[in-house]
Amino acid sequence: DIQLTLSPSSLSASVGDRVTIACRASHPISTFLNWYQQKPGKAPKLLIYAASTLQSGVPSRFSGSGSGTDFTLTISSLQPEDIATYHCQQSFTTPYTFGQGTKLEIK
Amino acid sequence: QVQLQESGPGLVKPSETLSLTCTVSGGSLTSYYWTWIRQPAGKGLEWIGRIYGSGHADYNPSLKSRVAMSLDVSKNQVSLNINSVTAADTAEYYCASSTGSASHEWLDPWGQGTLVIVSS
Repeated sequence: DIQLTLSPSSLSASVGDRVTIACRASHPISTFLNWYQQKPGKAPKLLIYAASTLQSGVPSRFSGSGSGTDFTLTISSLQPEDIATYHCQQSFTTPYTFGQGTKLEIK
Repeated sequence: QVQLQESGPGLVKPSETLSLTCTVSGGSLTSYYWTWIRQPAGKGLEWIGRIYGSGHADYNPSLKSRVAMSLDVSKNQVSLNINSVTAADTAEYYCASSTGSASHEWLDPWGQGTLVIVSS
C-alpha cells in the first residue's frame, strides 16, 4: 500500500497567518492526490483534487501543489473557520490511502 | 445535488455481521460509484472499498475476506456488510460518492457518517 505522511501532525497558528501542510507519499503518485477538511464531529469535505484543482465553493485562500511524492496544502490567510483536521488521500492505486491527518488550531 | 445518508445498528456483537446502508438522493446509483470509508475515534481514515454502478466492487485487501458491498437500485441504496467483527471494527462509517475525470478520482460528497460500536 502507498503510505502518506502528513507533517506536521498538529499545528497552531494565528488568524491571518500563512499555513502550509505537507503530505509525502511513499511511492510516486503523479498528481493523484486529494485534500479534505474535517471539522470536529463532521464528515470530511473535499477541498482540492488532482493535487491543485480547487473544488467549487471552496475559498480561494486554499491552494494545493506538488506532484510525484511531495505535496502541499496552503492556506494563504488563516481564518477562524479553518480550524479542522486536514487529510490527504491518494487515488493513484487501490487500496486508496489517507494520511493520518494534521490538526490545525488557532493560537 | 447528490446527498448521502448512512444508517444501521449502532451496536454489533463480536463475531457477528455489521450491516450498513447508504441511501442516495439526487442521483442515480448507476451514474456514479460509491465508496465506504471508516474512521476509528481519534484516528485516520481507512478506505474500505468501492462499488460501481455495474455492481463490480473493489475492496481493501486488509478487509477483503470479510467485506461485501451491494446495490439496491430500486431503493437507491448502497449496502456494506463486514462479517466476523471485532472491537477493531469500531469506528465512524462514511459513504461517499466517487467521481473524477482523466482517471483522477475523488470523494465528494460524503454522508454524515454513522457510529458503529462492536461490543458484547
